[in-house]
Amino acid sequence: DVKVTQSSRYLVKRTGEKVFLECVQDMDHENMFWYRQDPGLGLRLIYFSYDVKMKEKGDIPEGYSVSREKKERFSLILESASTNQTSMYLCASSLRTGVSGYTFGSGTRLTVV
Amino acid sequence: GDSVTQMEGPVTLSEEAFLTINCTYTATGYPSLFWYVQYPGEGLQLLLKATKADDKGSNKGFEATYRKETTSFHLEKGSVQVSDSAVYFCALNKTRQSGGSYIPTFGRGTSLIVHP
Repeated sequence: DVKVTQSSRYLVKRTGEKVFLECVQDMDHENMFWYRQDPGLGLRLIYFSYDVKMKEKGDIPEGYSVSREKKERFSLILESASTNQTSMYLCASSLRTGVSGYTFGSGTRLTVV
Repeated sequence: GDSVTQMEGPVTLSEEAFLTINCTYTATGYPSLFWYVQYPGEGLQLLLKATKADDKGSNKGFEATYRKETTSFHLEKGSVQVSDSAVYFCALNKTRQSGGSYIPTFGRGTSLIVHP
């Protein structure tokens, strides 16, 4: 089974801190995604990457950046955390066509105080 | 653009009741369709999928049929259990120009609560 591992289940950070969320997948998937999930808003795509060093903005990229230096690792960076970035963050990966579905990590619940 | 519309929840049922969660979609071409389940505090897990019209996906007693004529992919289960309580997401994949990759579009999710 494909595994997507997110480095932390829970994080508490202070306003203004630089925050790194790490995601690693072990099945050689081309695509990787970062979502945030908020009550009543569903899943919103922040960024995705379809290859090493390639990235594209999703629906809500403001305040975030990403890095994909190796195929298996996709990092989400909050340059200067703010309280409105308190959320559940979900990483996912898939083959390029996505026909086999998208495999999600367990999520990181980030609280910015 | 592409979109997925799910019935609003929560859906509240007694154990052994019949479940239907409606999902309709708007998309050009022939997307693949998926249902995902999310248990409290967890990420999403793929429940079932269908890749072409009239395909039926099934898993763990759940099933859904890809209906192109009605652009629907309704989730059904004949007899729900308390352990089925979760949030269910309908989704489709859709190609984007960049890199030819397929990006999922998700519905808002439907919460299911099953009482003993």
